[in-house]
Amino acid sequence: TQLLEQSPQFLSIQEGENLTVYCNSSSVFSSLQWYRQEPGEGPVLLVTVVTGGEVKKLKRLTFQFGDARKDSSLHITAAQPGDTGLYLCAGAEYGNKLVFGAGTILRVKS
Amino acid sequence: GAVVSQHPSRVICKSGTSVKIECRSLDFQATTMFWYRQFPKQSLMLMATSNEGSKATYEQGVEKDKFLINHASLTLSTLTVTSAHPEDSSFYICSASPVLSGNQETQYFGPGTRLLVL
Repeated sequence: TQLLEQSPQFLSIQEGENLTVYCNSSSVFSSLQWYRQEPGEGPVLLVTVVTGGEVKKLKRLTFQFGDARKDSSLHITAAQPGDTGLYLCAGAEYGNKLVFGAGTILRVKS
Repeated sequence: GAVVSQHPSRVICKSGTSVKIECRSLDFQATTMFWYRQFPKQSLMLMATSNEGSKATYEQGVEKDKFLINHASLTLSTLTVTSAHPEDSSFYICSASPVLSGNQETQYFGPGTRLLVL
């Protein structure tokens, strides 16, 4: 059984601060996905990373996939209140179903 | 593209009744659909994987007679919570993997269904 450890579980920061969320596993993933979810809604895919060492940027969000494809990070620069939500990482091993991390609740205060 | 809908979005029912939740892929065909359960401020817990025309595969600890899944077509899967009890109250989310993706990694999520059992 694959496990995907996500940290921190909760993050409360001021507007303008930077933050990083981590996902780690002992398993190798063929791809890793990051989602953002708002209360009462389904998860929305932010990015999929597939290549070891890959870095993807989405405006103020930077996603990195570890060289060994076992870990990933999400870095948000100059966080804004609109970034508030639940962030989920999910990994898959070569075509299998997704394994989700525990999630990170982010609250950005103005 | 790749839109998944769920109906109803919210449902309140009395204890002992059954509730059916529909999950539809609106603009693509889905070989596989997934059903998740989510408690407040927690991650998604996979309940079962359903493939069109075959029996669903349930995760350990999920009662198949309690949560009936039917995947009758490539665009529709249903989850029926039978004899619902207050502890079944939760947020139920479905996702669908497109036929063309060839794997289960690519999943598009529905907006979720909030179930409250009184």
